Amino acid sequence: GNSVTQMEGPVTLSEEAFLTINCTYTATGYPSLFWYVQYPGEGLQLLLKATKADDKGSNKGFEATYRKETTSFHLEKGSVQVSDSAVYFCALSDRGDSSYKLIFGSGTRLLVRP
Amino acid sequence: SAVISQKPSRDICQRGTSLTIQCQVDSQVTMMFWYRQQPGQSLTLIATANQGSEATYESGFVIDKFPISRPNLTFSTLTVSNMSPEDSSIYLCSVGPPGGNTIYFGEGSWLTVV
Repeated sequence: GNSVTQMEGPVTLSEEAFLTINCTYTATGYPSLFWYVQYPGEGLQLLLKATKADDKGSNKGFEATYRKETTSFHLEKGSVQVSDSAVYFCALSDRGDSSYKLIFGSGTRLLVRP
Repeated sequence: SAVISQKPSRDICQRGTSLTIQCQVDSQVTMMFWYRQQPGQSLTLIATANQGSEATYESGFVIDKFPISRPNLTFSTLTVSNMSPEDSSIYLCSVGPPGGNTIYFGEGSWLTVV
């Protein structure tokens, strides 16, 4: 079945450091891939997405490239800020079944120190 | 995008009682979903709410415990029945707008069962 695997957290960085959060997936069809972010005490927000191989999603300085050959969708940011402290979820939606159901990774908590 | 409103945003409930969560969307959508996020955990799909038909439940979730209504294309409710402390979670409504493959989430309903 479909699944998403994320690197375990917490990830602790100093402000302005480079961020990578690894995400790999297993899917039978041709999934769309997403990164969602959950700030403390808040709900889930879509951060970025990619719908086909080699697409790059980007938003708020974050980027992720859909790599079909390595079944990966790693999240990166060149210079993190304290305000980026949150839990990040990688997710996939298997478009092949047209259901739009999302399968989430376990989430990675990011803590950015001043 | 879609704007999703959930009520209540937070509640503290007594063991053995039931609570109904409402989800209102600002546009007509075909698919509405209910997810659960237990403390410190990732999101798990409870069910897909279909307008005009019975909800489709995922493995491990049953209608008697989580009855769902979907009276029209902009509204759905999820009831958490006979609550126990294990039901303390964030319950999130999400929608998949027609013609797109992006899933949007409400801010969640944070339930604590005592």
